[in-house]
Amino acid sequence: TQLLEQSPQFLSIQEGENLTVYCNSSSVFSSLQWYRQEPGEGPVLLVTVVTGGEVKKLKRLTFQFGDARKDSSLHITAAQTGDTGLYLCAGTNNAGNNRKLIWGLGTSLAVNP
Amino acid sequence: DAGITQSPRHKVTETGTPVTLRCHQTENHRYMYWYRQDPGHGLRLIHYSYGVKDTDKGEVSDGYSVSRSKTEDFLLTLESATSSQTSVYFCAISDLGGRAETQYFGPGTRLLVL
Repeated sequence: TQLLEQSPQFLSIQEGENLTVYCNSSSVFSSLQWYRQEPGEGPVLLVTVVTGGEVKKLKRLTFQFGDARKDSSLHITAAQTGDTGLYLCAGTNNAGNNRKLIWGLGTSLAVNP
Repeated sequence: DAGITQSPRHKVTETGTPVTLRCHQTENHRYMYWYRQDPGHGLRLIHYSYGVKDTDKGEVSDGYSVSRSKTEDFLLTLESATSSQTSVYFCAISDLGGRAETQYFGPGTRLLVL
């Protein structure tokens, strides 16, 4: 069974701080996606990474896919209160049924003013 | 934003009562999914559909059935609701292309089974 482990599970920081959250697996994925979910809403896609070693930037958010395509990280620079939410990673595997995503349990981020 | 609506948005029901949740999309996407989200368990796939009248089970399908008679509608039915089915239910859609799959989620339905 493929698993995606996210760490930390919870993170509470002050506005302006930097942070990194991780998504790790022992399995290889053809792509990894990061979603953000705000309270009372469904997850919303932030980015998809497909190439080992790939780095993508979305304003203050930097996403990296590991060289071996088994892990990914999300770095937020100068966090803002609007970054508060649940960050979920999800992976697809072309070797299996890639109509379904494998989900991590998420990192719950609270950015305090 | 992808055109996905879920109804009802909130529901309170009693144990043993049948419940049907509806997901409606205006994107003409082929794939539709039903998830439940619970603390400590994350998002878990209940059932999914890969076309009209084509459905398959997810990892937590016991106690749930689905139907898809039109591309735009995917119904989730709890034949006889139990308290363990109290959860937040999300519908998602996707149109698989290339190497990556993106799922677009609806706003969710909060179900409380008393």
